[in-house]
Amino acid sequence: AQSVTQLDSQVPVFEEAPVELRCNYSSSVSVYLFWYVQYPNQGLQLLLKYLSGSTLVKGINGFEAEFNKSQTSFHLRKPSVHISDTAEYFCAVKVIGGNKLVFGAGTILRVKS
Amino acid sequence: NAGVTQTPKFQVLKTGQSMTLQCAQDMNHEYMSWYRQDPGMGLRLIHYSVGAGITDQGEVPNGYNVSRSTTEDFPLRLLSAAPSQTSVYFCASSTPRTGPNTEAFFGQGTRLTVV
Repeated sequence: AQSVTQLDSQVPVFEEAPVELRCNYSSSVSVYLFWYVQYPNQGLQLLLKYLSGSTLVKGINGFEAEFNKSQTSFHLRKPSVHISDTAEYFCAVKVIGGNKLVFGAGTILRVKS
Repeated sequence: NAGVTQTPKFQVLKTGQSMTLQCAQDMNHEYMSWYRQDPGMGLRLIHYSVGAGITDQGEVPNGYNVSRSTTEDFPLRLLSAAPSQTSVYFCASSTPRTGPNTEAFFGQGTRLTVV
């Protein structure tokens, strides 16, 4: 079975500072990796995904993530955050060829002015 | 393109009442799923369907039923609501299992309170 651990439940950061949201996964088979964002009172929106190829993946809104197979990690980064980035971020995995998405517990990013 | 549509957005139920959460998608996706979101627990899979007429249980199926009579619709039924079912419910539909377009699309959610 697959599992996802998001190491921080909340990350406070000042506007224009860099941020990293950490995600580790466990799986005995190859997986696809995803980051979703949930703004207050809304559904989930795909930020980026890693399927294969280059381990550095760029997504929407200036976010990027790096897949590290040896450390089974897929950390999300942004060099300079904005107030509008305040949201909850979810890391998720899916077995290649499968359907089920397995989510982490989420990390709430709070951007302060 | 509407994507995934969930109704209602908000609902308050009394313990023991029943209700159906509706979910419809217009993207012709075969795979659909229901999740519940609780603070600090992420999204947990309740039930899923790989096509019309085929459903299966996810991680937390107790207290919920589903059916899939058409590709478009995947309703979730609470037969006898309990306070433990107070949560935010999300429906999702997914593109093919592999390939560059693989992605799950989510509805806006249904916030359910059971009193």
